[in-house]
Amino acid sequence: DAGVIQSPRHEVTEMGQEVTLRCKPISGHNSLFWYRQTMMRGLELLIYFNNNVPIDDSGMPEDRFSAKMPNASFSTLKIQPSEPRDSAVYFCASSPKRGWSYNSPLHFGNGTRLTVT
Amino acid sequence: DAKTTQPNSMESNEEEPVHLPCNHSTISGTDYIHWYRQLPSQGPEYVIHGLTSNVNNRMASLAIAEDRKSSTLILHRATLRDAAVYYCILRDLPVNSGGYQKVTFGIGTKLQVIP
Repeated sequence: DAGVIQSPRHEVTEMGQEVTLRCKPISGHNSLFWYRQTMMRGLELLIYFNNNVPIDDSGMPEDRFSAKMPNASFSTLKIQPSEPRDSAVYFCASSPKRGWSYNSPLHFGNGTRLTVT
Repeated sequence: DAKTTQPNSMESNEEEPVHLPCNHSTISGTDYIHWYRQLPSQGPEYVIHGLTSNVNNRMASLAIAEDRKSSTLILHRATLRDAAVYYCILRDLPVNSGGYQKVTFGIGTKLQVIP
């Protein structure tokens, strides 16, 4: 199993540009999560999908952030326009059961390090 | 979610056991205790979880206090590859919305393994 695949691994962009991060969950997993990690705030949940449907997007910081899951094998997180404070490592995770249930481990990708100058 | 408290950092000598503590004094009766770890430049990975009884797997052991207000992740023989940030998290049973609950990972404990 290839695990959760994220691309790109690194992204450097200028303020105001659109950024799109991509995630391929593990085949058969029906839950997908986007997290953001910074030194100051640790690992924060941005949005959670179940069966391709967004269930909770309350962690999305503002309207500049949007996420989609057009099918079970692909998700995107878009930032438009990007700002320097968006610089962070963005992780995608998938789970084989519904939601972050008590005995269902999350499988994380290796993340995308975003730098906005 | 009930909160957990962990030391910011710990050190261990290679090939010696490591005991990583976690306090969760407000734990509820249905909260499971999960541990994840994050190696440098990687995403977090699941380590172990338990409810009341001590648990063992190939990666580690989890010792849970009788009152469940604290737990300890035990690495029996630390290796350099165990140097990572370890997160202790509480997860409740699914009760609504199909079992989904938001989880915060906190800052965790940064484990340094000394050769």
